[in-house]
Parts: sequence; structure tokens; C-alpha cells
Amino acid sequence: GAVVSQHPSRVICKSGTSVKIECRSLDFQATTMFWYRQFPKQSLMLMATSNEGSKATYEQGVEKDKFLINHASLTLSTLTVTSAHPEDSSFYICSATANGDEKLFFGSGTQLSVL
Amino acid sequence: QKEVEQDPGPLSVPEGAIVSLNCTYSNSAFQYFMWYRQYSRKGPELLMYTYSSGNKEDGRFTAQVDKSSKYISLFIRDSQPSDSATYLCAMWSGTYKYIFGTGTRLKVLA
Repeated sequence: GAVVSQHPSRVICKSGTSVKIECRSLDFQATTMFWYRQFPKQSLMLMATSNEGSKATYEQGVEKDKFLINHASLTLSTLTVTSAHPEDSSFYICSATANGDEKLFFGSGTQLSVL
Repeated sequence: QKEVEQDPGPLSVPEGAIVSLNCTYSNSAFQYFMWYRQYSRKGPELLMYTYSSGNKEDGRFTAQVDKSSKYISLFIRDSQPSDSATYLCAMWSGTYKYIFGTGTRLKVLA
């Protein structure tokens, strides 16, 4: 299957700082990337959908100014959590699809802890 | 009514048992069906992918889709302790977003 690499796997930061998470498709061109948030023992909550070269589409209730998504190339998308606060602590996961392929492949996830 | 319903478990079985995991859905527009395995604090891993109705087998895993009943299943034969994880069903209509079940936690006891 296709490989999606996500870094870092874990980050601890102080309240008020910004954190950037990278998501790369290693062996395919990711026309669409998705960012999810997952709380313990809960399912995936879609935050936003991004297509290469265009602005991300955010789900209702997700602050686009707080969660900045950039999909500048067909292999890289980034999520920046700006001015992070303890309530932003969560497990963030990216996923990607290739053009013409319905399968969705996930990164390994990033555990964000804001102190 | 949720678009996708999945029993959260936990489901505990002895090693070697056949495991049956299921999801029901309400949107008849779904055409693509997937099963993912997720270990704790890891991203979901695609196990099975099925388009429309029918069965698909891959090693110890069999996926079934019954669109008339809006019901999908994943069977795991000869279950192993390493199969202990959360299993998520997912479906997609071909447009908009993928819809996920809440996940079923499986424990295979040695």
C-alpha cells in the first residue's frame, strides 16, 4: 500500500506557542489530503480537507485561523496549530488519496501535548 | 440516526477464534467500503477495500458488503493476540468526505 509519513510523532509545547505537523506522501502524488483529530477511545473527527494548490475546506466548528493548513505540493501538507492551548492537546492524524484512487491512507499520527 | 453504526466493544475472543466485526449504514449512496486496523496511538492501517457488493478475501481477512441490507462485515480467521486493536469501518460515496464508524476494540486472548 501507499506510504504516508507524518512528523513529529509526539510534541510537547508550552501554551501560546505554535506547532507544525508535516504529512508527506512518499510513493504517490496526494491530490487530496485530510486532517483528523482523535480523542482517546473515540473515532476520527475530520478537521479539514485540502487539495494541492488551493485553500483548505474546514469542517464546521474548526477554527481556520487556529489550525492553518497548507498543501503546497502533491506530496506535502502541513498543519500548524497556532497559539496552542491545553484544550488543543490531542492526537492529530493526516491521510491522503491519490487521483483516481478511492483508498485512503493514513500517517502514523502526532500526539500533541500543550502544557 | 448516525450515518454509520458500529458496536464499540470491547470484544474479547480466545486465540484461534473467528472474529466477526460489523457496521451498518443508512446512506445508500456509499459505494466504497474499507476496514482499518488501528493500534493505540498509531494511525489507522488499511486492511481491506471493497467496491460495491460482494466478498473479498486476503489471507486471514474476509470483507463482505451487502448493499441491500446496508451491512458490511470483516471476518478474521485464526485470530492472534497481535490482532488486538481497534477496527474501524469506513465508507465513501465518491464525493465529499469519508465516513467512519466509531471503531470496535478487539482483544484476542492468548
